[in-house]
Amino acid sequence: DGGITQSPKYLFRKEGQNVTLSCEQNLNHDAMYWYRQDPGQGLRLIYYSQIVNDFQKGDIAEGYSVSREKKESFPLTVTSAQKNPTAFYLCASSIAPFAGNTEAFFGQGTRLTVV
Amino acid sequence: DQQVKQNSPSLSVQEGRISILNCDYTNSMFDYFLWYKKYPAEGPTFLISISSIKDKNEDGRFTVFLNKSAKHLSLHIVPSQPGDSAVYFCAASDAQAGTALIFGKGTTLSVSS
Repeated sequence: DGGITQSPKYLFRKEGQNVTLSCEQNLNHDAMYWYRQDPGQGLRLIYYSQIVNDFQKGDIAEGYSVSREKKESFPLTVTSAQKNPTAFYLCASSIAPFAGNTEAFFGQGTRLTVV
Repeated sequence: DQQVKQNSPSLSVQEGRISILNCDYTNSMFDYFLWYKKYPAEGPTFLISISSIKDKNEDGRFTVFLNKSAKHLSLHIVPSQPGDSAVYFCAASDAQAGTALIFGKGTTLSVSS
């Protein structure tokens, strides 16, 4: 089955630790995205990548880093510099960077909690 | 500054009636608009989209209307069903420039039977 997979579903991190969230897609999509959802805040864009080995900062990139070494994978690292990392993280992909009538497909999300 | 605004945090509707969810945007470069439905602890699922060259798009019970001059779009669900109860997000992008989707804060729809 084609789709976008995020792992793990739940993740706990101690303060001061870096943690990496996985996102893999087998849809052959060029573009991939990371969003963060907080209560009452909607989905806010962290980083996005339109092509392998290239990515751009979104609205709230501080304290996060990404890589795009393979078309299928777009891992997100939440660093210790991120002040409020507890949130629901969503990864998405699309055929092209929203050119024409293409929608983004989302994974099931990762709930990160700092303990 | 929010580029996509959903000013109603919640909406309650009776089963069988029409649900109307509204969305406003400020960026005149946006040319592609989408609605997503989301349940708690799950990823959003795509519902319906509209490009700026149209003013209406229909898919079954769901219709999206776009008023470019007012920078306003709305999602109509007719008839509403209890299974439609979820959070609905409006999203927009500048598809010509290939920008990422910008989302509103969402509207929680509750459909009672």
